[in-house]
Amino acid sequence: DADVTQTPRNRITKTGKRIMLECSQTKGHDRMYWYRQDPGLGLRLIYYSFDVKDINKGEISDGYSVSRQAQAKFSLSLESAIPNQTALYFCATSGGRDDRGFFGPGTRLTVL
Amino acid sequence: QKEVEQNSGPLSVPEGAIASLNCTYSDRGSQSFFWYRQYSGKSPELIMSIYSNGDKEDGRFTAQLNKASQYVSLLIRDSQPSDSATYLCAVKIGPRNTDKLIFGTGTRLQVFP
Repeated sequence: DADVTQTPRNRITKTGKRIMLECSQTKGHDRMYWYRQDPGLGLRLIYYSFDVKDINKGEISDGYSVSRQAQAKFSLSLESAIPNQTALYFCATSGGRDDRGFFGPGTRLTVL
Repeated sequence: QKEVEQNSGPLSVPEGAIASLNCTYSDRGSQSFFWYRQYSGKSPELIMSIYSNGDKEDGRFTAQLNKASQYVSLLIRDSQPSDSATYLCAVKIGPRNTDKLIFGTGTRLQVFP
C-alpha cells in the first residue's frame, strides 16, 4: 500500500461548488503539506501543519482552507471553486529523522 | 526575491554528457536541501538530500552545496534519455521547529540520443 494517498485522483467541478481533497498517510509523520502545481510555476505551498493543533498558511492560501483531523489525515477544501484553481494538487509529509518530503500521487482538479 | 530560484530551462544535453542544474535560495539559515525529479503528470521523487557544504555523491548524481553563496547544484553524469524530466530544488526555510519545505519552479532537462 502507498504511504501517502490522495482522494480523489481526478475531479471536475463547476465554479462556485465546494470541494474537498483528502490526504492520508501511514508513515507516522507529524508534518503534512498541501501544494498546487501549475505549468511553469513549480510547487507552491498552500498550507502546512506540524501537528493536529498547528496549521500554518503557505504562499497561496487565499481561497483554500484545511483541516487536520488526525495525525494521519489532512484535508484541503475549496469553499467556492473558481477556474484559476484548476491545477494539480499534491499532499506531502515529512518527519522523524528523515526530513525529506514524501509525496502522494496528486489530484488533478478542473474547475469549469 | 523568490525564496528558491531555478532556471526553468529547458536544458538540453546529449546522451553521455554531464548535466548541471543550479539553484539559489534566500534564507541564510537554511540547513536542509533536496533535489527531486518529476516526470510529467507524476509526483516528485527524491533524488538527493544534502546538509553540509561540499559534494555528496550517489551513483551518477552529485549534489553540491555552498552555504556562503546560498547555492546548491545537481550534477548528472553520463546522462541518459530516461533522465529527461523536471528537476525541482527544495529548501527547508525558516526556524528549525517551524520550517517549511519550499520548492523552486523546476528545471526541465532534455537528454537527446
